[in-house]
Amino acid sequence: GEDVEQSLFLSVREGDSSVINCTYTDSSSTYLYWYKQEPGAGLQLLTYIFSNMDMKQDQRLTVLLNKKDKHLSLRIADTQTGDSAIYFCAESMGSNTGKLIFGQGTTLQVKP
Amino acid sequence: DTAVSQTPKYLVTQMGNDKSIKCEQNLGHDTMYWYKQDSKKFLKIMFSYNNKELIINETVPNRFSPKSPDKAHLNLHINSLELGDSAVYFCASSPVGVGSEQYFGPGTRLTVT
Repeated sequence: GEDVEQSLFLSVREGDSSVINCTYTDSSSTYLYWYKQEPGAGLQLLTYIFSNMDMKQDQRLTVLLNKKDKHLSLRIADTQTGDSAIYFCAESMGSNTGKLIFGQGTTLQVKP
Repeated sequence: DTAVSQTPKYLVTQMGNDKSIKCEQNLGHDTMYWYKQDSKKFLKIMFSYNNKELIINETVPNRFSPKSPDKAHLNLHINSLELGDSAVYFCASSPVGVGSEQYFGPGTRLTVT
């Protein structure tokens, strides 16, 4: 089936690390994505990981993929107030249609 | 030099009316999408077109009809609007192929009263 789940809310202090978790159900997913949505705006791709990778690092962002448990996480180091947004996990369905299944989004609140 | 643009940004209308939302992308992408984001921020794909051809049509009421006059445009027409249609509608585009990044428009907030 097609299902992606995330916790709804995370609050951290500025300078701390944030870890946003996601679980998915489709083992045929080829790519997994993290998108960021700021208030009143569209979604912006932050990073993605191919399903045969375990980890990807991109500056302050680290993505970990546990394919056995179908678990994906996004770690933001040195979280800033500008990181406050909704973060969406998404999986591609492995076809060439580009169809993405999104989680319900995690609202990250960064307190000064 | 906006990549994916949508008009209008806000749309307030009454039940039973017919309305359209327009989307244009200047990225040269072959594939375009419409998503619906409800009040709980849940985002679900509605339609996808590849080079003017419909390739994804999720279980969306047939009051919703997408139209792609060319590969840079994907419009969404909604007939007989209902209260439950109130949401933010996002257009997106991507190059062809799995793993291609989708670029999202700023969204159109539709309110049906």
